[in-house]
Amino acid sequence: DAGITQSPRHKVTETGTPVTLRCHQTENHRYMYWYRQDPGHGLRLIHYSYGVKDTDKGEVSDGYSVSRSKTEDFLLTLESATSSQTSVYFCAISAQAGDGYTFGSGTRLTVV
Amino acid sequence: AQRVTQPEKLLSVFKGAPVELKCNYSYSGSPELFWYVQYSRQRLQLLLRHISRESIKGFTADLNKGETSFHLKKPFAQEEDSAMYYCALRVAYSGAGSYQLTFGKGTKLSVIP
Repeated sequence: DAGITQSPRHKVTETGTPVTLRCHQTENHRYMYWYRQDPGHGLRLIHYSYGVKDTDKGEVSDGYSVSRSKTEDFLLTLESATSSQTSVYFCAISAQAGDGYTFGSGTRLTVV
Repeated sequence: AQRVTQPEKLLSVFKGAPVELKCNYSYSGSPELFWYVQYSRQRLQLLLRHISRESIKGFTADLNKGETSFHLKKPFAQEEDSAMYYCALRVAYSGAGSYQLTFGKGTKLSVIP
């Protein structure tokens, strides 16, 4: 068990609906990250957290918001899903900032 | 601006042949580089970090600051090496003394039996 789980694993949603993805860790790591993975773009940082209630924007944050009310959970919300947000979303955790990431299994989101 | 470039989207080699996956970076600070690997239907996992200078699964990578490169090498490719490989650079980010990983676009390695 890698100590990090993402839910759901797969989701299909309609354009304009809100969607929340969950990342849960059992490692008590301070840092948590959300990335999206797209062909031809690799992994791009959406948002990250450096502590409870401490979050900041990444490279591609438009259309996304996050919340971290407790150490173990980092939520990613698409306020109004668009087709351009169809992607595979990965959560990662680390004890040190930007070092030794452990990744979740990913959530495949399809917006139709 | 910080950037990681992996020039090859796809690299095909025969089993037993040497492998070199290229990675170049652009960063004004002191670079810290990593290689991550994603096998089919598995999560991304750390393969190498340049600081530790270790060899994992026969792979090695040397940081060349003069050429701003961190190429991943293996002398004899195995079928189980087929995967997606990402080079990553640890960069300082906005406030709070935070660091993040910036990833390249990835290279898909296919080892032909």
